Amino acid sequence: EAQVTQNPRYLITVTGKKLTVTCSQNMNHEYMSWYRQDPGLGLRQIYYSMNVEVTDKGDVPEGYKVSRKEKRNFPLILESPSPNQTSLYFCASKYGTETLSGANVLTFGAGSRLTVL
Amino acid sequence: AQKVTQAQTEISVVEKEDVTLDCVYETRDTTYYLFWYKQPPSGELVFLIRRNSFDEQNEISGRYSWNFQKSTSSFNFTITASQVVDSAVYFCALSEVRAAGNKLTFGGGTRVLVKP
Repeated sequence: EAQVTQNPRYLITVTGKKLTVTCSQNMNHEYMSWYRQDPGLGLRQIYYSMNVEVTDKGDVPEGYKVSRKEKRNFPLILESPSPNQTSLYFCASKYGTETLSGANVLTFGAGSRLTVL
Repeated sequence: AQKVTQAQTEISVVEKEDVTLDCVYETRDTTYYLFWYKQPPSGELVFLIRRNSFDEQNEISGRYSWNFQKSTSSFNFTITASQVVDSAVYFCALSEVRAAGNKLTFGGGTRVLVKP
């Protein structure tokens, strides 16, 4: 089954304790992205990757890191989490990286709910 | 810069009523794509529809219909004869062809509650 898999789905942690949210897709998509969802704000893009070793900041990158060493994986790293990073996180992927691939549909993971105390 | 506004934060209806969700967007691009996603209580995001900026035909899919009007920069979504299973948060989103990183910009979402 074609899918984007995120782990963990739920996590409660404390301020300053480094954590990683993994994301893996099995559709051979070039493009991957991370979003966070907060009430009233919809989903906002954190980072994206157009292909292996190519990553760039989205709208809200502060406090996050990413890497893209393999095509299928795109982990989100919180080096020193803070309470304002409490949110619902979504990883997504889609086919293509050229300009017109803006038309392509993003496939989302099931979401990871993170609470930072 | 691209922007999507969903002015209705929450709509409550009784089953079998029709409900229309408003979506207004801003873009400087002439080529762009509009999307609707559904987020049921289980939390996942489900793709509903995509429309490009050159196709203003309305679309109907079962009880769902979409009205795209470039003149008012709107892409509204109507659920006809709503059912309890339609209870969800619905997001409208915009993708500009020339946007850096092919970014998909979301509106704030509209929560629809359908009561039996």
